[in-house]
Parts: sequence; structure tokens; C-alpha cells
Amino acid sequence: DSGVTQTPKHLITATGQRVTLRCSPRSGDLSVYWYQQSLDQGLQFLIQYYNGEERAKGNILERFSAQQFPDLHSELNLSSLELGDSALYFCASSVKTNLPTDTQYFGPGTRLTVL
Amino acid sequence: AQKITQTQPGMFVQEKEAVTLDCTYDTSDPSYGLFWYKQPSSGEMIFLIYQGSYDQQNATEGRYSLNFQKARKSANLVISASQLGDSAMYFCAMGLEGGADGLTFGKGTHLIIQP
Repeated sequence: DSGVTQTPKHLITATGQRVTLRCSPRSGDLSVYWYQQSLDQGLQFLIQYYNGEERAKGNILERFSAQQFPDLHSELNLSSLELGDSALYFCASSVKTNLPTDTQYFGPGTRLTVL
Repeated sequence: AQKITQTQPGMFVQEKEAVTLDCTYDTSDPSYGLFWYKQPSSGEMIFLIYQGSYDQQNATEGRYSLNFQKARKSANLVISASQLGDSAMYFCAMGLEGGADGLTFGKGTHLIIQP
């Protein structure tokens, strides 16, 4: 158990809908990262928050957004869902600094299926 | 941009044998971190081992060691005395100290340990 929690574990929804994925980092970790894992694209970095502020942005679509709250949990919002958004979405957290060379510990993931 | 290459899509290994999983990387940044993660069929991403670009010695964590050859830009994972429970996908990843892109992952190697 990495100490990172993600809910829900599975999510099935229809095209055009909006969903919210939730992540709680390890106790004391200030950085939260979101990744998408799909068969065709592999593991891709989406976005990073550090202590409530957006720090880095990767291949995140405009239909997707995220935020980190004062208690450091984070939410990833996916809207106008398309079939191609079906994937495993991971949240990861790292120790108190905000450098990419810090070890990231991953949550169990949320498997999103868009029908 | 940084890149991770894992050239072995799949490997079959006999139980108790040592395994080497290949990883080469490409970056012009002098300060970076290299990571290996294990993803069993259940889907979670498990951190195995970390190597910093300035580390003089190869990293070791139990049965895992990282064969770091900086001049060749390779960071191979060695698993000694393989076990059936080692069967999983293995991902090599890199983070840049000066970057803002989260981790860059390779496509992974599917390792199957045979009894």
C-alpha cells in the first residue's frame, strides 16, 4: 500500500458526460501528479500541483481540469467525455519537495470506461 | 525532449534465474532521476528503485539493482533470483530536475516468470 488513495476504483459513463476523480496523497506529501494510462498512448503525464498551485502541465486536454484543495487532496475533472478517454487514471504524490527527481508513489488508479 | 526506450516488449524467464530489463534514456539535462516501477495484473504501480544522475554507486533495493551506465545512457533493472510473483509489467521512467513534465515513461516490458 503506497499510502495514496484514489476514488472511485471503477467508473463507467457515457459519451458527453462529466466525471470527477479524487485523490488523497500520502500524509505530508505536497505534490500531486495525474497520469493517464491507455493502450495506445501508454503512460502520460497530465498535470502536477504543488501545495495548492499548478506547477506543471503535460498532455492534458482542454476538456480536462484539476485542482488541489487546502487539505492537499486533488480532483481531476473530465468533461465532454469521448470513447478515447477510456483509460486508467493514476494519481501520484511525492515527498515534500517539488522536484521531478523525487520519488512518486502511485495510487491504485481509477479505471474509466466511456460507453 | 526526454525519451525512454525499453526494447523488450516481453520476456520469459525461469524461476530463480536473474533477469535484466533494458532501459535507455535520452536527455540533455545533466540532472535527472531514473525510476523503475512494477505494474502487476491488478493494475497498481509499485515503485521499485531510484537512481540519481549524480549518484556514484548503482542503486540496490533487496533483490533489485539498477545497472547505471551514464555514458551509455542506460539504466537496466536487474532482478536476482526471480520469483513467480515477479511476473508483471515493468516500466522505466525519468524525471528531470530542471523540467516541468512529471515523469516520462517507457512502453514497458512484460515479464513472465515460469516455474
